[in-house]
Amino acid sequence: AQKITQTQPGMFVQEKEAVTLDCTYDTSDQSYGLFWYKQPSSGEMIFLIYQGSYDEQNATEGRYSLNFQKARKSANLVISASQLGDSAMYFCAMRGNRGSQGNLIFGKGTKLSVKP
Amino acid sequence: GAVVSQHPSWVICKSGTSVKIECRSLDFQATTMFWYRQFPKQSLMLMATSNEGSKATYEQGVEKDKFLINHASLTLSTLTVTSAHPEDSSFYICSARLTGRYNEQFFGPGTRLTVL
Repeated sequence: AQKITQTQPGMFVQEKEAVTLDCTYDTSDQSYGLFWYKQPSSGEMIFLIYQGSYDEQNATEGRYSLNFQKARKSANLVISASQLGDSAMYFCAMRGNRGSQGNLIFGKGTKLSVKP
Repeated sequence: GAVVSQHPSWVICKSGTSVKIECRSLDFQATTMFWYRQFPKQSLMLMATSNEGSKATYEQGVEKDKFLINHASLTLSTLTVTSAHPEDSSFYICSARLTGRYNEQFFGPGTRLTVL
């Protein structure tokens, strides 16, 4: 069975500092994809970054980077130079290779609070 | 990026009535859409996978007669909560999968359902 674990229910970070949100996963699939989404209080899910299981380099998208350690089955999100607008829930998700449906399995999320 | 809309954004209804929620991909065609449910301060739980022109695939424990899904076109999927009860009150989010580099899912803004 596939599973995503986010062990940090809440995190605080000072504005302009970097923060790492942890994510570990479990799957028996050889091919899979890992995603991070941001959910502000308004509720919408905003796609941040993607890492494929065969990607050799860590994904980066602007201030977001993904620290992918395949052997450890971890896919931590690093946010550099935190901004007040980064305060939100962050979900790690995995898409397995289950048929062609490609549904996502989400972790429980981490609530990030950026302090001014 | 791709845009997915949901309507209504919120709805309050009486117990026993049915409520229809629409999910539209505005600028792309989606053969596959997903319906999630999110309770307060919890993660997203996949309810069902909606495929254009065929029956939806429901996750274990989700009553297909309770949550009717219709994916009549490549840009529209609907979720109807039949004979709603207070325990059906929740945040319902749809997503549409964009075929491309990441095959990522783009999420709608969600619908908050309150059943009195």
